[in-house]
Amino acid sequence: DAGVIQSPRHEVTEMGQEVTLRCKPISGHNSLFWYRQTMMRGLELLIYFNNNVPIDDSGMPEDRFSAKMPNASFSTLKIQPSEPRDSAVYFCASSLGQITDTQYFGPGTRLTVL
Amino acid sequence: AQSVTQPDIHITVSEGASLELRCNYSYGATPYLFWYVQSPGQGLQLLLKYFSGDTLVQGIKGFEAEFKRSQSSFNLRKPSVHWSDAAEYFCAVGPLNTDKLIFGTGTRLQVFP
Repeated sequence: DAGVIQSPRHEVTEMGQEVTLRCKPISGHNSLFWYRQTMMRGLELLIYFNNNVPIDDSGMPEDRFSAKMPNASFSTLKIQPSEPRDSAVYFCASSLGQITDTQYFGPGTRLTVL
Repeated sequence: AQSVTQPDIHITVSEGASLELRCNYSYGATPYLFWYVQSPGQGLQLLLKYFSGDTLVQGIKGFEAEFKRSQSSFNLRKPSVHWSDAAEYFCAVGPLNTDKLIFGTGTRLQVFP
């Protein structure tokens, strides 16, 4: 099993540019989670999907952030326009769908906004 | 509101020494409890989880954790630490009425030879 795949692994962009992060969950998993990790705020859940439907987006910081899951094997997290304070490591995780199921994390995307 | 507290930001131990990482939670009922480990530059990996039953839970890599309801704690232990255990450790709770996890701020473990 390839595990959760995220791309790109590193992204450096300038303030004001659009950034798109991509995630391919483990095949057969029904839930997908987007997290952000920073030194100041730790690991925060941004949004999660179940069966491709957004269930809880209360962690999305503001309207500049959006996430989609057009099918069971692909999700995107978009930031438009990006700001320096968005610099962080963004993780995608997937699970079978119950809280008791293990969440499997991808390697993360390190985003730097200059 | 539900919360998770990991009081120790950074712990240093010698290889071969025992380890205990603390985790306290605040929640009205007993939530689901998890410990994850993050090695440098990598994503998080589940070490163990507790839902109910035996309060002493065994996990991977020789780790165990004990749930203590009276103390609202779920501390992680290992009898003998290896240099490869150097990483950041996260405690997380899963409230019963939701699928999402709430993570603590993490404890960074450093192991000296």
